[in-house]
Amino acid sequence: EPEVTQTPSHQVTQMGQEVILRCVPISNHLYFYWYRQILGQKVEFLVSFYNNEISEKSEIFDDQFSVERPDGSNFTLKIRSTKLEDSAMYFCASKAGEGVYTQYFGPGTRLTVL
Amino acid sequence: DAKTTQPTSMDCAEGRAANLPCNHSTISGNEYVYWYRQIHSQGPQYIIHGLKNNETNEMASLIITEDRKSSTLILPHATLRDTAVYYCIVRRLGTGGGADGLTFGKGTHLIIQP
Repeated sequence: EPEVTQTPSHQVTQMGQEVILRCVPISNHLYFYWYRQILGQKVEFLVSFYNNEISEKSEIFDDQFSVERPDGSNFTLKIRSTKLEDSAMYFCASKAGEGVYTQYFGPGTRLTVL
Repeated sequence: DAKTTQPTSMDCAEGRAANLPCNHSTISGNEYVYWYRQIHSQGPQYIIHGLKNNETNEMASLIITEDRKSSTLILPHATLRDTAVYYCIVRRLGTGGGADGLTFGKGTHLIIQP
């Protein structure tokens, strides 16, 4: 069964450094999402992406964050200058198309900012 | 989107049916009820969704009351692997252009007891 994959599974970085989290959505899916979950807290929506542009973003998704689909398979989340409070699990998700609501989530990347 | 209310936690014996309630008294006519679950630190997993009719798939059944103000997710024969946080989410279908980030609440922590 097709699945969303994410790399790396765990990323450790120093405060102020840039990180790029990578996701490979399910092939032929058209909608892509990033969510995060701070330890012990709720899963929070960050951004959705369709047709090579951001469709929707939350208040969390400020100028430090950016997303890109650099080729036909990868979907990336970049955090330009990490802060301690960016430490969280980051989940990528994808959806087949409009009128379909099932979002398929990846296993997540645990980001630790020291 | 309509707000949902779920119990914080529930226990169920292995092999028995697990019935997880959700209240969504402010649901609109075009809003669907979706259930996702999150097994410890993994990405959320879609379970089932419905509009007004009861639905069943290989994982679960969804019972929606006639007035649509509440619903129940039923896991017919719970196993230890069903221990997870279960989220009830109310959302319109096809909001357009991928602007459909999911809003997760705190969910119900279902613990299956051996």
